This record gives sequence, structure tokens and C-alpha cells, in this order.
Amino acid sequence: NAGVTQTPKFRVLKTGQSMTLLCAQDMNHEYMYWYRQDPGMGLRLIHYSVGEGTTAKGEVPDGYNVSRLKKQNFLLGLESAAPSQTSVYFCASSYSGARAVYGYTFGSGTRLTVV
Amino acid sequence: AQTVTQSQPEMSVQEAETVTLSCTYDTSESDYYLFWYKQPPSRQMILVIRQEAYKQQNATENRFSVNFQKAAKSFSLKISDSQLGDAAMYFCAYGGSQGNLIFGKGTKLSVKP
Repeated sequence: NAGVTQTPKFRVLKTGQSMTLLCAQDMNHEYMYWYRQDPGMGLRLIHYSVGEGTTAKGEVPDGYNVSRLKKQNFLLGLESAAPSQTSVYFCASSYSGARAVYGYTFGSGTRLTVV
Repeated sequence: AQTVTQSQPEMSVQEAETVTLSCTYDTSESDYYLFWYKQPPSRQMILVIRQEAYKQQNATENRFSVNFQKAAKSFSLKISDSQLGDAAMYFCAYGGSQGNLIFGKGTKLSVKP
């Protein structure tokens, strides 16, 4: 089925470990996004990309890096995980991009726990 | 910067009744889009309804409708004939010239049988 696929779905990390979350979309969308969801905070934008080879910072970028080497993939990296990065991470993509006219297509989320 | 406010952290409704979830936003733009997303316990984000700011007519999708008041910057979601499957977190979102969506903090809706 067409859509946005996130891997892994669950992960437990120890403080200081690194990991990469993978997001893949097969809808030929230009715009891709990483959000984190925390209780009582809604969804906050970490980083986003407006096309292959481009990335930009969102509202809460500290402690994260991203790469968009291929149009269909958007990777989110944690270089040295901290307990404050315990969260649910969502990847999303957008067809229209400039104003997200039709909203987003979301992945199913990754629940990350840092102990 | 644009902001989205959902003032009701939690709401409850009796099955088959009607409930309205509130959302206000702040913007100086005139061209934008508004959305309601549903997040059931499965965690999947599902688009419920979408409104174009330049359209005065309120959007409707089956049992879901909105009351869009552009001058008041208000965008409430009405769920009619509530069903047990409507129990979820609901997020209001704003899409303007900045490109990305800005989300409210969410309202947790419970449906009582």
C-alpha cells in the first residue's frame, strides 16, 4: 500500500547511544517532516526537507540530525541519546508542500525510550 | 508566528450524542488551511476534515463538521451521533505560508456507552 513507512516502531536506547530512524514514502512527495509527540505538548517539528538534498531546522532541532539523500527517504539521527528524547516520533510527507494544502500523510510512529 | 490553541485537554460525550471540540489560532495571513486529525490508541494520525480559509462554507465529512469563524480565528469540530470508535486524541492544525503544519496540544475525547 502506498504511504509512509517508519522503522523501527519501538526502540529502547541507553543514554549516550546513537540510532537512526528511517522514513520512506512512495508517493513522490517533495516535502518530508519529522515531529515528536509528547504528552500535553502536541506535535512539535524537529526538522523538515523541501526536496532531495535539502534539510531545515524546525522548532526543536537540538540533539537531532537529518539527511535526505534520496527523495523517498528521510532519516532522523540521534547522535547521543538523552532521556529528554524519550518520545513518539512521527514522520510525515506532503504533496503540495508550500502550504501543505492537503495536509500530511503520516507514518505510524516510533516509540523511543531512552533509559 | 502562528499558534494553535486547544483549550480543552479532555472531553467526554455520551454515545449517540453530539460534542464540539474547540480550536483557536493566531495568524496575520489571509490564505491558509485548517485541519482536524484524529489519533486513536493505535497511534496512527488520521485526517478527519480540512477547511480552506478562503471558503466561507463550513466543511463536512459525514458525522464530522466544522464551524469556521475566520474573523474570530476559530475552528471547532462537531461530532454528531458519537460512536465508541470516535474515542481518540484530536489535533487541530494550521497550514500557512511557513509550509509545515502547526499543531495544537490536542483534546482527548472519551465516549461513554
